[in-house]
Amino acid sequence: DIQMTQSPSSLSASVGGSVTITCRASQSIRSYLNWYQQKPGKAPKLLIYAASILQSGVPSRFNGSGFGTDFTLTISSLHAEDFAAYYCQQSHTTPLFTFGPGTKVEIK
Amino acid sequence: QVQLVQSGAEVKKPGASVKVSCRASGYTFSSYYMYWVRQAPGQGLEWMGRINPRDGSTNTAQNFQGRVTMTRDTSTTTLYMELSSLRSEDTAVYYCARYFSASGALDYWGQGTLVTVSS
Repeated sequence: DIQMTQSPSSLSASVGGSVTITCRASQSIRSYLNWYQQKPGKAPKLLIYAASILQSGVPSRFNGSGFGTDFTLTISSLHAEDFAAYYCQQSHTTPLFTFGPGTKVEIK
Repeated sequence: QVQLVQSGAEVKKPGASVKVSCRASGYTFSSYYMYWVRQAPGQGLEWMGRINPRDGSTNTAQNFQGRVTMTRDTSTTTLYMELSSLRSEDTAVYYCARYFSASGALDYWGQGTLVTVSS
């Protein structure tokens, strides 16, 4: 099975700042990598699919990149509503999905 | 608009079963696989399985084989996930989520159903 890791597990940032979250797969998943945002008590929300494609309605300050085993999610110009948990998920082995353990972005 | 509306919270005793429903609307029901994902308190997301609403065929994660049953009712566009032999570790929020094959991602999610397993 493909294992997904994320780093850091949590981070603090200021409104207006930027953050980068890393996701790594245990083997190549090409570009079959998705990112979700989850706020407390809410369902996850799809942000980016296929490593770099922004889901409709998602602000352009969210950017995804990577291929193979290493991926990043960058959020620039942080807004208050961006403080949340972020999960990566591989779909290379569909139907079997694997999620990363998550990264919590907190306000500094 | 696409909506996935799940059933309400449940409290169950160890060894019992729970059946969570997910009513889908706003799209062609049979055209999209539905996934089930759970999240234990303070933990990450765990894939449980998926169902093809067109023919009812399923794929189940190895961790849940033998304990999860996924079904659908095309007349009411409702999906069901039943988990049996519940134990305390099954306490979690259970989500249904629509799979969009063109993106390879879960593009719409239900609001979640909290299942608490406690004696």
